[in-house]
Amino acid sequence: AQSVTQPDIHITVSEGASLELRCNYSYGATPYLFWYVQSPGQGLQLLLKYFSGDTLVQGIKGFEAEFKRSQSSFNLRKPSVHWSDAAEYFCAVGAGNYGQNFVFGPGTRLSVLP
Amino acid sequence: NAGVTQTPKFQVLKTGQSMTLQCAQDMNHNSMYWYRQDPGMGLRLIYYSASEGTTDKGEVPNGYNVSRLNKREFSLRLESAAPSQTSVYFCASSPDGGTGELFFGEGSRLTVL
Repeated sequence: AQSVTQPDIHITVSEGASLELRCNYSYGATPYLFWYVQSPGQGLQLLLKYFSGDTLVQGIKGFEAEFKRSQSSFNLRKPSVHWSDAAEYFCAVGAGNYGQNFVFGPGTRLSVLP
Repeated sequence: NAGVTQTPKFQVLKTGQSMTLQCAQDMNHNSMYWYRQDPGMGLRLIYYSASEGTTDKGEVPNGYNVSRLNKREFSLRLESAAPSQTSVYFCASSPDGGTGELFFGEGSRLTVL
């Protein structure tokens, strides 16, 4: 079975600074990989996904993520953080591309300083 | 443009009481899901329904039942609530073709005293 770790429970960055959120997974084959964002009081929204092909994927809101098979990682990046990016971010790994096959990580809470 | 709608948004129960969480989606999706979210544990799948008339257990089904009433609606029932079921519950749906995108409701916060 697959598993996901997000080593950072809480990260604080200043507005305008760059951001990298870490995600490591365990899965025996090439996984389906996702990043979701949850704004306060809201449900989760898909930021980006990787199925195959180019290992650098672009998502919404200026986010990107890079799949590194050798490191079993799928880290999320943004070059310049905005105050509205304050939220909780979840990495998910899937054995298939339907929800019943997903495992979500514990989440990383991002705070943004003005 | 409702997407996925959950009711109620907040509920407080006493141990042993029962309740049903309602979920409806207007995107014509076949697949629907119920997750629970607990601090430090991410989302865990309770039950899912791949199509109208079918339901299957997820990772943490004990203490819950579900009904896929029709293509739009998927309800979650707690027959005898326990404090361990205090959580935030999310309903989600996904389109056919396996795009991997889940569309979530805004969540239902349940407290069991």
